[in-house]
Amino acid sequence: LAKTTQPISMDSYEGQEVNITCSHNNIATNDYITWYQQFPSQGPRFIIQGYKTKVTNEVASLFIPADRKSSTLSLPRVSLSDTAVYYCLVVPTGGGNKLTFGTGTQLKVEL
Amino acid sequence: DTEVTQTPKHLVMGMTNKKSLKCEQHMGHRAMYWYKQKAKKPPELMFVYSYEKLSINESVPSRFSPECPNSSLLNLHLHALQPEDSALYLCASSQASGGRETQYFGPGTRLLVL
Repeated sequence: LAKTTQPISMDSYEGQEVNITCSHNNIATNDYITWYQQFPSQGPRFIIQGYKTKVTNEVASLFIPADRKSSTLSLPRVSLSDTAVYYCLVVPTGGGNKLTFGTGTQLKVEL
Repeated sequence: DTEVTQTPKHLVMGMTNKKSLKCEQHMGHRAMYWYKQKAKKPPELMFVYSYEKLSINESVPSRFSPECPNSSLLNLHLHALQPEDSALYLCASSQASGGRETQYFGPGTRLLVL
């Protein structure tokens, strides 16, 4: 399984765009990049998933360069309620849908 | 309905007790998972059930015993636990376990072993 590296913590202010970058140098051809969000004392929640280029949904955008060795989760105009831990995962297409969570990024949004 | 429910929300047990955690989903998902999460750490996979059969056991000690009575229910039976087993136990489900399906997590059961 490809190992991921992301910043341990980030601080932002309400209304700003936040970009969290994740490194996954040994990503395999069939692997997808997936991001989950977790609030304290809750289970993780799926945010977005992509294979290459750009994916956008109502919550976030995911940018993946051509070499796929990194990815960036972009949260537009964050609010206090976006304060959470964000996990970047590399998920193989096969293999039992095992999710291996890395250390995650603690995002703190302030007024 | 994209909800996974877990009961109880909190559980305190002694090292000689036997207790069970329960997880339920009604999304028609055929894969269900147990994770363990210690404070300020990421979730760690314990077990995967696929079509009601245990498909992955991540070398979990036998004092944790999973059970999948039907496609909607997942139990985790606990016996002779140690204080270091205190953690948040998360259940999740997905459409299948072939790979990269979105997992839907429950709110967890916070377990304290005395």
